[in-house]
Amino acid sequence: TQLLEQSPQFLSIQEGENLTVYCNSSSVFSSLQWYRQEPGEGPVLLVTVVTGGEVKKLKRLTFQFGDARKDSSLHITAAQPGDTGLYLCAGPASGYALNFGKGTSLLVTP
Amino acid sequence: NAGVTQTPKFQVLKTGQSMTLQCAQDMNHEYMSWYRQDPGMGLRLIHYSVGAGITDQGEVPNGYNVSRSTTEDFPLRLLSAAPSQTSVYFCASSYDYRGNGYTFGSGTRLTVV
Repeated sequence: TQLLEQSPQFLSIQEGENLTVYCNSSSVFSSLQWYRQEPGEGPVLLVTVVTGGEVKKLKRLTFQFGDARKDSSLHITAAQPGDTGLYLCAGPASGYALNFGKGTSLLVTP
Repeated sequence: NAGVTQTPKFQVLKTGQSMTLQCAQDMNHEYMSWYRQDPGMGLRLIHYSVGAGITDQGEVPNGYNVSRSTTEDFPLRLLSAAPSQTSVYFCASSYDYRGNGYTFGSGTRLTVV
């Protein structure tokens, strides 16, 4: 199993602050995905990064795939309460499914 | 489009009972998977399927069975429920093996007493 380690595990910030969460592995991934999960719901795909060094932006969210394709980061600028949720990274596992990290639980307070 | 539909949303079972968690998708996705999510453990793969008639085991398959008779449906069967199977179960589908277009259902919260 290709392990994905996410940090920090928990993050509590105030509205307007910036933050970065990390997803690291000792294995090379052909792609990595980021999901956001809200309480009582399933994860929702935010982005897929495929190329080493790739940067993708989704409004105030910036995703980066490491040059060696072993790590990824998610940066949120000027966080808002609506950004609250569990952020999960995932990469393809052997056998045509995904391996997930344990997630970063983000709380943004007004 | 409904996407991925899971039923029931909540279920309480007694130890030793069996049940089937239903999952259906209307996106014509070939790849479907079942995960369980437990506090502090993240999402762990139970079983997956790469097409009708083809299934395989994931990380935590013991105590669960699956079948895939159609592209749309991928039910998960608990053979003899145990308290350790108390969890939230998610079904997901995607259109390729890399998980692109991965869509999750809203989950089934199962409690085994």
